[in-house]
Amino acid sequence: DAGVIQSPRHEVTEMGQEVTLRCKPISGHDYLFWYRQTMMRGLELLIYFNNNVPIDDSGMPEDRFSAKMPNASFSTLKIQPSEPRDSAVYFCASSLRRSQETQYFGPGTRLLVL
Amino acid sequence: SQQGEEDPQALSIQEGENATMNCSYKTSINNLQWYRQNSGRGLVHLILIRSNEREKHSGRLRVTLDTSKKSSSLLITASRAADTASYFCATVLSYNTDKLIFGTGTRLQVFP
Repeated sequence: DAGVIQSPRHEVTEMGQEVTLRCKPISGHDYLFWYRQTMMRGLELLIYFNNNVPIDDSGMPEDRFSAKMPNASFSTLKIQPSEPRDSAVYFCASSLRRSQETQYFGPGTRLLVL
Repeated sequence: SQQGEEDPQALSIQEGENATMNCSYKTSINNLQWYRQNSGRGLVHLILIRSNEREKHSGRLRVTLDTSKKSSSLLITASRAADTASYFCATVLSYNTDKLIFGTGTRLQVFP
């Protein structure tokens, strides 16, 4: 299995631009998670899905952030408009049937907003 | 505030020595997990210990859990340079089992 796939791996954009991060979870996994990692705040859960349905988006910092999961093999995290404080590493993770079990992380997308 | 906090924040040892990292948490848990993150990479699951377990082993890893003290420790025996990474504990709360809440991490440096 290829594991969790994220794209792009690196993104540099200017303030005000729209940013779309993509994730392909491991096939057959029911849960998908989006995290953000910064030096100041550590690893934060932004939103998670169960069977493509968003369950908890309380970690999404503000309305500029949105996430979708149109099918079991694809999810996007969008930031519009982006701001310099959004600069971070964004991780996608998936888990099999129960979210409290092992989560498998993708390699992350390193976002820099200038 | 963080559910889990690791101690120490950073640890430097020589190859062959043992490394011990501690994690404290605040509320009742369903299970506790340890993850490793190499520089520039995603997190990798190491071991899971459930709230009714006290100790677990996996290769050179030994994890203990003391629910009365709300703490866990990760011991890496006979460390290698390849163990250099950040180590995070993550808790699943007993009243909300859908989320992993990550601690602040311990940065381990193993010198050859």
